[in-house]
Order: sequence, then C-alpha cells, then structure tokens
Amino acid sequence: DTGVSQNPRHKITKRGQNVTFRCDPISEHNRLYWYRQTLGQGPEFLTYFQNEAQLEKSRLLSDRFSAERPKGSFSTLEIQRTEQGDSAMYLCASSLWDSQETQYFGPGTRLLVL
Amino acid sequence: KNQVEQSPQSLIILEGKNCTLQCNYTVSPFSNLRWYKQDTGRGPVSLTIMTFSENTKSNGRYTATLDADTKQSSLHITASQLSDSASYICVVNSGGGADGLTFGKGTHLIIQP
Repeated sequence: DTGVSQNPRHKITKRGQNVTFRCDPISEHNRLYWYRQTLGQGPEFLTYFQNEAQLEKSRLLSDRFSAERPKGSFSTLEIQRTEQGDSAMYLCASSLWDSQETQYFGPGTRLLVL
Repeated sequence: KNQVEQSPQSLIILEGKNCTLQCNYTVSPFSNLRWYKQDTGRGPVSLTIMTFSENTKSNGRYTATLDADTKQSSLHITASQLSDSASYICVVNSGGGADGLTFGKGTHLIIQP
C-alpha cells in the first residue's frame, strides 16, 4: 500500500500522560501536514513540513504539542501532559508541491483522553 | 477572515435519489476549491479539484460546479448509493502555504435504503 499511514489508529490515555503519533507519508511527497478534527467539524491545521523543515505552526499548536520530521520522511506528533480537550482525531496528510498540491490524507489517529 | 460555509449541515435521502450540497466561501485570493469525501473514522479523500476557470467537473456520479463570481460551489450526487453515506468537506485554497487552506465543517450525508 503506497498511501499515507498513521499509527496507532486509536489511543486511549489518562489525563497528564504523554502520547506520540506517527505518520508515514507517500514516499515521494515532500510536504507533510498535521490536522486535528473534532466531531462534526472540518480538519483544523496544526503544522506542516517541507522535507525536514517545519515551515508553519498554527496558534492552535500549544507548547504541549511538538512535531518532528527528522529525515524528511516519517513524522511524529507528540502531546505532553494530555488534557481532555485534546481528545480528537489527528489527521496526517502529504502532498507533492505543485500548482494544485492535492493532499492525500491518512486514516487518522483517534485520541481519547480520560 | 477567510471562511467556508457549507449547507446543509446534515442530509438524509433515500437510496437512488439525487442530492446537491452547497459551499459558499469568502476566501481571497482564490487558487482552487476541492471537495473531499470523509467516511466515518477515516481520513478525507479528494473527489474533485476546480480552479478559477473551471465551471464544472465530474467524477463518476459526483459533479462539482463552481461560480467564482458569486463564490459558490455545489456538489451534486446522482443516483445515490449506500456507500455515499459520509461527510463531504469543501476546502478552498488561497495559495501560499498550508495556512492558505480553509476547510468547511462538512455536510453529513446519510443514504437510507
């Protein structure tokens, strides 16, 4: 399968714990995005990378959130000291930068903070 | 502020019927507009992409229209099937990076047998 993959697909954690999600983009794509989506809402942009460089971060991305893409391939999103409000679907997307820049989304990681 | 408004918020129709979903936007400048289909618990999948000069684009039973003057788009689904049950998200791109994408909240479509 050459699509975007995300792991884990589901994560249940207790408030205050740290969690880390992984995204493997389509191999030739140089851009990688993280979004958060809550029930009944569209995805909200968190951050994106071009190759290994993190180019933009949303103001939604508090200092408890950190993302890395160390070798310009897979990316990780870590949430420290999770809060119940962090419960959401975390979506990763990748794209090949061109004039249309179609994003291909992964299946998401659903986080539940108890 | 760039905004994308979708209507209706939810829609229930019988299998085999047609339906039209609406997307109004106030994004400027305009680069392109996409419709995505998102099945429950899955990531969005692109259906169509339209640029400023395109009025209509089809993908099987899905037909998207764009009126760049009134800043409106629609997604028409013909002869609906149970597998069309999903959320349909309109995304407008103003260009210039990831913050240039404005997502609508989606229309939740349920097809009943």
